[in-house]
Amino acid sequence: EDQVTQSPEALRLQEGESSSLNCSYTVSGLRGLFWYRQDPGKGPEFLFTLYSAGEEKEKERLKATLTKKESFLHITAPKPEDSATYLCAESIHFQGAQKLVFGQGTRLTINP
Amino acid sequence: DGGITQSPKYLFRKEGQNVTLSCEQNLNHDAMYWYRQDPGQGLRLIYYSQIVNDFQKGDIAEGYSVSREKKESFPLTVTSAQKNPTAFYLCASTLGGYGYTFGSGTRLTVV
Repeated sequence: EDQVTQSPEALRLQEGESSSLNCSYTVSGLRGLFWYRQDPGKGPEFLFTLYSAGEEKEKERLKATLTKKESFLHITAPKPEDSATYLCAESIHFQGAQKLVFGQGTRLTINP
Repeated sequence: DGGITQSPKYLFRKEGQNVTLSCEQNLNHDAMYWYRQDPGQGLRLIYYSQIVNDFQKGDIAEGYSVSREKKESFPLTVTSAQKNPTAFYLCASTLGGYGYTFGSGTRLTVV
């Protein structure tokens, strides 16, 4: 069964304190590893898609990396506006269809 | 601008009542999805549709029903058989599985 596990569940950082969020996934039928940002009461906002081990993508203070069984979302010198829940999802191919399997998310709080 | 529109933003359901959540997309995407999100949890798949007039159950389909009569529309009905419907419902779509776009969600509350 395809599973995605994120850690930690919650993370509280001071402004400027860099850290990483972890996403572990299974590899059966992987068609991409997605990272989303979700603010309270809103839909997920797309950040990155990674397709192969060794791939890296960056956007402002965020960098996503991918290994064969894990992905990391590195946040460098975060600001309070980076506070959100970060969701990781594995896109899988299943019986002729594609679907996203999500982790439970990491709730990130950046204190000024 | 292309996107997904979900309505209403807030919905209240009485015990024993069926309610329908709307999802419309103008992205020309073939596949559409309904997810449920409970507090502090990730998204769980309810139903998905790859083409018009065809849909499949996801992981938590009991108490829900869908239709896909038009490419642009994928409404979700929460029936009285769903015993714990209070949640945040998200609709998504994709073209080929290489990028998924989400709507802004509908918060359903049982009163």
